[in-house]
Amino acid sequence: EAQVTQNPRYLITVTGKKLTVTCSQNMNHEYMSWYRQDPGLGLRQIYYSMNVEVTDKGDVPEGYKVSRKEKRNFPLILESPSPNQTSLYFCASSLSSNSPLHFGNGTRLTVT
Amino acid sequence: DQQVKQNSPSLSVQEGRISILNCDYTNSMFDYFLWYKKYPAEGPTFLISISSIKDKNEDGRFTVFLNKSAKHLSLHIVPSQPGDSAVYFCAANAIDLSSGGGADGLTFGKGTHLIIQP
Repeated sequence: EAQVTQNPRYLITVTGKKLTVTCSQNMNHEYMSWYRQDPGLGLRQIYYSMNVEVTDKGDVPEGYKVSRKEKRNFPLILESPSPNQTSLYFCASSLSSNSPLHFGNGTRLTVT
Repeated sequence: DQQVKQNSPSLSVQEGRISILNCDYTNSMFDYFLWYKKYPAEGPTFLISISSIKDKNEDGRFTVFLNKSAKHLSLHIVPSQPGDSAVYFCAANAIDLSSGGGADGLTFGKGTHLIIQP
């Protein structure tokens, strides 16, 4: 089944403790992206990647890192999480940056 | 500055009637527009799209209309069904000429919560 898989689905952590949210897609998509969804703000892009080893900042990249060492994986790294990063995170992929995105089911992160 | 605006946070429509969700944009470089539907505890799913060379695209009960001069698009759902109750996101994309033609990602609106009443 074609899908985008994020792990974990839920995560509660403390300020400053490094964490990684994994994202994997099995559709051989070139384009991958991370979004966060916050009440009243909709979906905002954090980082995106056009292809392996090519990443770029989205609209709200501060406090996040990503890597794209292989086509299928696009992990989101929070080196030192802060409470304002409490949010619902979505990973997405598409054939190209002009194709419709396929989203994962989300990771709800709480930073205390 | 919000480039994609969905000014109605929620919309309530009776089952069987037409639902019309609106979206306005400010960036004249946007040339590809999409609608996504999102249920609670799930990721958004792609619904329908339209390129700027068209003014209408239809897929079953869903039709998207684009008015480029007004920088406005709308999603029509007819007839509305209970399973259509969800949050709908409008999104737009622009070709980034400075990077050789590759777009730099979608810009989403804040979403409209559609409630279909029986």
